[in-house]
Amino acid sequence: AQKVTQAQTEISVVEKEDVTLDCVYETRDTTYYLFWYKQPPSGELVFLIRRNSFDEQNEISGRYSWNFQKSTSSFNFTITASQVVDSAVYFCALSEARGNTGKLIFGQGTTLQVKP
Amino acid sequence: SAVISQKPSRDICQRGTSLTIQCQVDSQVTMMFWYRQQPGQSLTLIATANQGSEATYESGFVIDKFPISRPNLTFSTLTVSNMSPEDSSIYLCSVDKDRVYGYTFGSGTRLTVV
Repeated sequence: AQKVTQAQTEISVVEKEDVTLDCVYETRDTTYYLFWYKQPPSGELVFLIRRNSFDEQNEISGRYSWNFQKSTSSFNFTITASQVVDSAVYFCALSEARGNTGKLIFGQGTTLQVKP
Repeated sequence: SAVISQKPSRDICQRGTSLTIQCQVDSQVTMMFWYRQQPGQSLTLIATANQGSEATYESGFVIDKFPISRPNLTFSTLTVSNMSPEDSSIYLCSVDKDRVYGYTFGSGTRLTVV
């Protein structure tokens, strides 16, 4: 069965600190997709990144970076020089590629609070 | 990526009544997905809606409680029937239109049942 675990329930940092959000996943599929979404207090889900299982290159987008390691089934997310606007709930999610069912399995989410 | 218009954005409903949530997509999509997010919890898939066929429900969700319509490739509705306070949640629709941008979500419907 597919499963996503975000062990960190809440993280609190002071502005300008770096912070890493952990994500560990389980799947029997060899082809799959991994995602990160941000959910600010307003409630909408904001897409951050999608990564397929064959692309293990690390990704950097501005202050955001992602470290995908198949050997440890992890897809961690780092925010560099955090800002108050980064305060939100962050979800890691997994989708199978076979069968095209499109189902997303979400982790429990990590609430990030960035204090000024 | 696709743009989804979801209505209503929020509602407060009496127990025992029903609420229909609408999602309109700006382009044609094969599958639409409905998720529930209970307070302080993660998102759970309710069902997948394909145009022209009955929706496929996940374990723990039934059609009598969450009937879904999918009359065309750009529109879907989810009804929350015979509501109880336990149905108080955020309900979101989603589509997978663009392989690069992944799944797009509607802005959500924040439902409170009193």
